[in-house]
Amino acid sequence: AQKVTQAQTEISVVEKEDVTLDCVYETRDTTYYLFWYKQPPSGELVFLIRRNSFDEQNEISGRYSWNFQKSTSSFNFTITASQVVDSAVYFCAPRGPYSGAGSYQLTFGKGTKLSVIP
Amino acid sequence: SAVISQKPSRDICQRGTSLTIQCQVDSQVTMMFWYRQQPGQSLTLIATANQGSEATYESGFVIDKFPISRPNLTFSTLTVSNMSPEDSSIYLCSVLGPGQGRGTEAFFGQGTRLTVV
Repeated sequence: AQKVTQAQTEISVVEKEDVTLDCVYETRDTTYYLFWYKQPPSGELVFLIRRNSFDEQNEISGRYSWNFQKSTSSFNFTITASQVVDSAVYFCAPRGPYSGAGSYQLTFGKGTKLSVIP
Repeated sequence: SAVISQKPSRDICQRGTSLTIQCQVDSQVTMMFWYRQQPGQSLTLIATANQGSEATYESGFVIDKFPISRPNLTFSTLTVSNMSPEDSSIYLCSVLGPGQGRGTEAFFGQGTRLTVV
């Protein structure tokens, strides 16, 4: 069985602070991809970054960065120098290995609501 | 990236009626996905729709309640049938980006906010 956990329900930070969002993906699979999406109050889902399970090198993309710890199956997502426009719900969404028709779908975590206070 | 247009963007419907949601993509795609997001909740996959075949429904969702059409590679509809207040949700259409490989991100329409009264 696969399980994705976003333990933080809500986080509040002051503008310009760094913030880290946690995601744990428990699975027996060794090959998978994990995606982070942002859902601002307007409702649309915006793709942020992706990560695969077989590359342990951490990555940075602009103000976003990954921290992947394989031993704990945790994919932590950090926003550096947060801005008010970062206020949104952030979803962690893994995609497991191919297992036939329909296996390209994403499984979404419960989401973490981030509020950035000016 | 794919551009996805969903119609309607929102609607208020009477219980017992049906609503058909349209999803139009600006490029040809093999798979289209329909998700439901109940108020304050995460997204749950309803079904995967491939052109030329029956949609594949996830556990808890049935074709009689959520019939899906996929007449071509750029268009799909989801119907919410015999609605009740519990069907009040955001319904989202999604497709994969170019390449369709397993590392490809998914793109989403702006969603349809449905309220059943």
